[in-house]
Amino acid sequence: DAGITQSPRYKITETGRQVTLMCHQTWSHSYMFWYRQDLGHGLRLIYYSAAADITDKGEVPDGYVVSRSKTENFPLTLESATRSQTSVYFCASSETAFQRRTDTQYFGPGTRLTVL
Amino acid sequence: QKEVEQDPGPLSVPEGAIVSLNCTYSNSAFQYFMWYRQYSRKGPELLMYTYSSGNKEDGRFTAQVDKSSKYISLFIRDSQPSDSATYLCAKAKLNSGGSNYKLTFGKGTLLTVNP
Repeated sequence: DAGITQSPRYKITETGRQVTLMCHQTWSHSYMFWYRQDLGHGLRLIYYSAAADITDKGEVPDGYVVSRSKTENFPLTLESATRSQTSVYFCASSETAFQRRTDTQYFGPGTRLTVL
Repeated sequence: QKEVEQDPGPLSVPEGAIVSLNCTYSNSAFQYFMWYRQYSRKGPELLMYTYSSGNKEDGRFTAQVDKSSKYISLFIRDSQPSDSATYLCAKAKLNSGGSNYKLTFGKGTLLTVNP
């Protein structure tokens, strides 16, 4: 059972380049999320999705684009990377919207992105 | 004011100590509260989950929620070196129809338990 995976795990790119971070989950969870984690800011929500073709902006969406054509995939694209987007990016998924007390978000291992 | 405020730490304690980690929140619309544990260079994992005021125990861990004062706490008894990690408090907010939700996290507290 692979769970939730992210690729690449590490990425170095240059300012102005387009970068896509991949997220894949094998549970067929409806909900998926993208966060960035930075020192001094903690985890901040970038985008979230309740189902295929349904996405919403989170706290820090500027400069990012998401799509969700298939339930299991939720790629995050940096259209024109900037140094301020250097961060650790986490993808997460959950089965329902806390409709059961056991619901939780499961996190991937993260992608460390450096923008030079 | 950030919706979830967490004591930043870092916190260093000897093995066997009782650890208290705390958060406050500012929006009463939030209903569900969680504690996540994050080891270095790993993704967060759920530790405790509660949706009401009061205490919830799970082994050496106790989560406490006081909705009247908007305060959430995590207590770790008999702390172990393996408890060394960053602890994140979080709260979940449903939309009005209950069809979507998002989590808001505190900044995290780095805990080190020394042998």
